[in-house]
Amino acid sequence: DGGITQSPKYLFRKEGQNVTLSCEQNLNHDAMYWYRQDPGQGLRLIYYSQIVNDFQKGDIAEGYSVSREKKESFPLTVTSAQKNPTAFYLCASSTTATYEQYFGPGTRLTVT
Amino acid sequence: AQKITQTQPGMFVQEKEAVTLDCTYDTSDPSYGLFWYKQPSSGEMIFLIYQGSYDQQNATEGRYSLNFQKARKSANLVISASQLGDSAMYFCAMREGLRGYQKVTFGIGTKLQVIP
Repeated sequence: DGGITQSPKYLFRKEGQNVTLSCEQNLNHDAMYWYRQDPGQGLRLIYYSQIVNDFQKGDIAEGYSVSREKKESFPLTVTSAQKNPTAFYLCASSTTATYEQYFGPGTRLTVT
Repeated sequence: AQKITQTQPGMFVQEKEAVTLDCTYDTSDPSYGLFWYKQPSSGEMIFLIYQGSYDQQNATEGRYSLNFQKARKSANLVISASQLGDSAMYFCAMREGLRGYQKVTFGIGTKLQVIP
């Protein structure tokens, strides 16, 4: 079955540590996205990538970094510079032919 | 100004009744599109329906329909014959710009609870 996988579902880290969230898709989609969701909030765009080896900052990129070395993979690193990293992180992908974004199951990151 | 406004933090509906979830938007781009997504308590975002700014007819997908009023800049979601499994958060979102560059902005959501 085609889809988007994110691992792990729950992640716990100590403050000051970098952590990388995985996102893999086998939908052959060109574009991939990372969103952050806080309680009672909508989704906010962190980074997006339309093609391999290219990515753009979204609305809240500070303290985050990404890479897009393969079409299928778009990992997100939450660095120690991110002041409030505890949140629910969602990865999505889309084609350039249609508009809807397909989402992964999300990773809930808790930093203490 | 908020690009997407959802003014109903929470809604209740009786099972088998219809419910309308409100969404208004703000854009100056002539090419845009409106989405609705469902987010159950598990957290995944499920695509429900899409309406393009140039689409002449309101979009429908099974029990979901989008009441698109372009002049009012509203894109309300109508769920007919509500089911218990419809209890979830619902997000309205807007795409702006050309194909290939899909900046999508989400509203803060409406929590729908279906009562047996």
